[in-house]
Amino acid sequence: EIVLTQTPLSSPVSLGQSASISCISSESLLDNKGITYLNWLQQRPGQAPRLLIYKVSKRLPGVPDRFIGDGAGTVFTLTITRVEPEDVGIYFCTQDTQSPPTFGPGTKVEIK
Amino acid sequence: EVQMLQSGAEVKKPGATVRISCKVSGYTFTDYYIHWVQQAPGRGLKWMGQVDPEDGETVYGEVFQDRITLSADTFTETAYMELSNLKPEDTAIYYCKTTTGRYWGQGTLVSVSS
Repeated sequence: EIVLTQTPLSSPVSLGQSASISCISSESLLDNKGITYLNWLQQRPGQAPRLLIYKVSKRLPGVPDRFIGDGAGTVFTLTITRVEPEDVGIYFCTQDTQSPPTFGPGTKVEIK
Repeated sequence: EVQMLQSGAEVKKPGATVRISCKVSGYTFTDYYIHWVQQAPGRGLKWMGQVDPEDGETVYGEVFQDRITLSADTFTETAYMELSNLKPEDTAIYYCKTTTGRYWGQGTLVSVSS
């Protein structure tokens, strides 16, 4: 199965500053139709995960444009610009290009 | 508004079986596969399997395939996850979700202890 590695595992950030999370896949996530099924989830404390970004860079409606997904192949990044208190939580990358779907270990974003 | 409403917390003894429901509303039940994900303390998110509500076809994760049964009832628009031969390490929150992950249930805590 595809292994997703995230760094860092913890990211203390000051309000208004940026946080950047890397997700590296053990195999290319580009499928044979040219689509990359790499998504980012946010899990706020005590809540279920929530999809923020799908197919590398597409934000769901209602997701602030402060959340930026980028990358290709095996290397992906989630950047949160101008961090706000509501952004505190754990961020997971996840892929469903290849079965079984897999998840990264999560990156905890907290306010310094 | 789409909702995936899961059944309540469960406390089980080792060796028992748990059945969790996931009642869907707000979209056509057969439009999306339903997946189940385990979130155990300190062990991240683990995909357990999926069910196609249209024909009941299932795919199970290797770790769970001997103990899991997924099903979907199109009349009640409810999906079910049954996990048997429970062990203490099955203590976790279990989530249902759609394939894209756009919609998630609120989670069901299962505690396994003697």
